Amino acid sequence: EAGVAQSPRYKIIEKRQSVAFWCNPISGHATLYWYQQILGQGPKLLIQFQNNGVVDDSQLPKDRFSAERLKGVDSTLKIQPAKLEDSAVYLCASSYRRPETQYFGPGTRLLVL
Amino acid sequence: AQKITQTQPGMFVQEKEAVTLDCTYDTSDPSYGLFWYKQPSSGEMIFLIYQGSYDQQNATEGRYSLNFQKARKSANLVISASQLGDSAMYFCAMRLLINAGGTSYGKLTFGQGTILTVHP
Repeated sequence: EAGVAQSPRYKIIEKRQSVAFWCNPISGHATLYWYQQILGQGPKLLIQFQNNGVVDDSQLPKDRFSAERLKGVDSTLKIQPAKLEDSAVYLCASSYRRPETQYFGPGTRLLVL
Repeated sequence: AQKITQTQPGMFVQEKEAVTLDCTYDTSDPSYGLFWYKQPSSGEMIFLIYQGSYDQQNATEGRYSLNFQKARKSANLVISASQLGDSAMYFCAMRLLINAGGTSYGKLTFGQGTILTVHP
């Protein structure tokens, strides 16, 4: 079974530029998650989708971050415009509705200069 | 408030010995799940072990076991016979059931992590 795929693996941008990350979850997983992990900290949930719908985006900075999940499969996370403090690893995870064990992708390391 | 705490920023262990990584949690919900993940330097989070709040037995998965003490609200990870490849960051996480807007879903909150270094 293929795991969660993410791209790109690394991205370096200037502040105020925009960037987009892509995630392809494990086949059949209804729930998809985006996390932000600042260096030295645990991951923080940004947004959680159940099929196409958003169930939790309470910690998503909506003035600059957006995410969508088309057709209940792939998802993209966008930052526009980026700030220095957005430098982090962005992790995508997916799970079945039950059980809810989350399986993570390799992450995208973003550096904002 | 729901909280998960890992008090050990770093731990060292000799190869082939056992090590315990501490995790305490705080919730008033009776139903919750506890997870441990391993994050090597490559960055990917690897699921290790799960314990449900109603599970009577401590979870085990190969060399990993979870020492679940419900009254003390602790869920420590025990790694037996440490290997060099066990050197990584380890995260404890708690899943709570959220009911909002007619929808229920599980939400995972992570601790700060413990860096484990295995010495040869």
